[in-house]
Amino acid sequence: EPEVTQTPSHQVTQMGQEVILRCVPISNHLYFYWYRQILGQKVEFLVSFYNNEISEKSEIFDDQFSVERPDGSNFTLKIRSTKLEDSAMYFCASRDRYEQYFGPGTRLTVT
Amino acid sequence: GQQLNQSPQSMFIQEGEDVSMNCTSSSIFNTWLWYKQDPGEGPVLLIALYKAGELTSNGRLTAQFGITRKDSFLNISASIPSDVGIYFCAGSYSGTYKYIFGTGTRLKVLA
Repeated sequence: EPEVTQTPSHQVTQMGQEVILRCVPISNHLYFYWYRQILGQKVEFLVSFYNNEISEKSEIFDDQFSVERPDGSNFTLKIRSTKLEDSAMYFCASRDRYEQYFGPGTRLTVT
Repeated sequence: GQQLNQSPQSMFIQEGEDVSMNCTSSSIFNTWLWYKQDPGEGPVLLIALYKAGELTSNGRLTAQFGITRKDSFLNISASIPSDVGIYFCAGSYSGTYKYIFGTGTRLKVLA
């Protein structure tokens, strides 16, 4: 069964460093998402991507964040200068018509 | 912004019991999704609902899209230990690509 994959599973970085989180969505899906989940809290929407551009973003998704779909299969989230409060699980998701499927997540730890 | 409130926040039940949880909003939603999340993993899609009043089952799980379109319900029949986890509702409304997540219901099953 097709699934969303994410790498790495765990990323540790120092405050101020740039990180890139990678995702391979389900191949025939057209809508792609990044969500964040701080430990013990609910899943928060960051950004949606459709037709090679951002379709919607939350107030969390400020200028430090960017997304790309560089080669038609990968979908990346870049955080330019990480802060301590960026520590969280980051989930990629993709959607066909209505059903949205999540990847296993990347745990980002900023020290 | 839009908010989804789930209740109960957590519940302990005996193995074999039926479970009910719900998700409510002050706004109208067009699609409801129900997810289960195990610790350290991504949310797994359980059931998707597309029409007001719709009742959909997936094994021992049954979910309903409320008639007012402002709520949804999830029932689990004859609970088993592997039902332990956090259950999230997620809703999408007209004019948006994103899904908003509820606050979650943590289910603990006593064998």
